[in-house]
Amino acid sequence: DVKVTQSSRYLVKRTGEKVFLECVQDMDHENMFWYRQDPGLGLRLIYFSYDVKMKEKGDIPEGYSVSREKKERFSLILESASTNQTSMYLCASSRETIFYGYTFGSGTRLTVV
Amino acid sequence: DAKTTQPPSMDCAEGRAANLPCNHSTISGNEYVYWYRQIHSQGPQYIIHGLKNNETNEMASLIITEDRKSSTLILPHATLRDTAVYYCIVRVDGANNLFFGTGTRLTVIP
Repeated sequence: DVKVTQSSRYLVKRTGEKVFLECVQDMDHENMFWYRQDPGLGLRLIYFSYDVKMKEKGDIPEGYSVSREKKERFSLILESASTNQTSMYLCASSRETIFYGYTFGSGTRLTVV
Repeated sequence: DAKTTQPPSMDCAEGRAANLPCNHSTISGNEYVYWYRQIHSQGPQYIIHGLKNNETNEMASLIITEDRKSSTLILPHATLRDTAVYYCIVRVDGANNLFFGTGTRLTVIP
């Protein structure tokens, strides 16, 4: 069964901490994505990557960075976590052409206190 | 990508067909219609997509109007496990990302 695996289901961090959210896919997909999901706002794209070491800003990149050193792994980094980054974070991957859509991970619920 | 409009919530009796509407009146000729759903505490799951013709797979059917300004996702025999938020998305072929709105929360009632 193909999978997108996010390393943590729940995470609690303190304000100002550097936070790493990890995502691994086993489908040899070229594209990977990070979204955040908040009540009433739906899913919003933070960053995406269409190849190793490549990245593109999404709709809300401020306060985040990403790293893609290997094809299967896409990391989201909160350089200095803030309380307004408390959210559900969802990773997804797709083939080079996303004709057949995304495969999502189960999400990481991050709470910044 | 074209904006989509969906009702915020719907109910459906178990065993009946669930018909979820979506308006995409500004859709362009090269934009596909995608449907995803998100069951509580899980990531969104791909259901089906289409361009002009009606489509059917093991999960659902997608009916797209002739003018392509609206579509309907049909779950032929809804079960309690179909309770979820359903997202209708339109996307240009070749675009790398999908825009998810707030979707329709479908509740299947026993």
